[in-house]
Amino acid sequence: GQQVMQIPQYQHVQEGEDFTTYCNSSTTLSNIQWYKQRPGGHPVFLIQLVKSGEVKKQKRLTFQFGEAKKNSSLHITATQTTDVGTYFCAGPTARGSARQLTFGSGTQLTVLP
Amino acid sequence: DSGVTQTPKHLITATGQRVTLRCSPRSGDLSVYWYQQSLDQGLQFLIQYYNGEERAKGNILERFSAQQFPDLHSELNLSSLELGDSALYFCASSLHWTDNQPQHFGDGTRLSIL
Repeated sequence: GQQVMQIPQYQHVQEGEDFTTYCNSSTTLSNIQWYKQRPGGHPVFLIQLVKSGEVKKQKRLTFQFGEAKKNSSLHITATQTTDVGTYFCAGPTARGSARQLTFGSGTQLTVLP
Repeated sequence: DSGVTQTPKHLITATGQRVTLRCSPRSGDLSVYWYQQSLDQGLQFLIQYYNGEERAKGNILERFSAQQFPDLHSELNLSSLELGDSALYFCASSLHWTDNQPQHFGDGTRLSIL
């Protein structure tokens, strides 16, 4: 079936280093969303990408949607301890006659001070 | 604060029992989603309701059922509970039913089966 895969599963970085997580789909996606879940918290919507090759920035976070709309990445520049958490990508996949978000397995980011 | 309210926050019960988890969506949102998150697992989509009607079904067990009421709050019923049902259950809501809607998550209900 349709899958949304995310790598790496875990990433430890020193504060100030950069971080990237990658998301790949087995099928073309109409859009992709990114969420962040802090330890002990709930997922929080970060952004949605819709267009092929789209790049969006939120301060130190850069989100990209691939040209073929089958992959996406989230890059954090100069990580801070506040960036700690699990980052999920999510893309629509077919479920019977409906389409619903399928979340990737997430990348758990640890930032060492 | 996402505006999505889930109760209870914690639930401890025994195998074979039945529990009900409750969710009130964000004001104005018509769609409600239920997810299960087990330890070291991602978010597994269970079911979606839109304006009272079931919209999409995911990996929801037959022992589980849900509904959305006229006031748009939703309940997830889990019966014949097994140890493996221990997990964090999230409710999320969005304005419409389409797959391009940002979802707003509640704080979750942590279910522990003893």
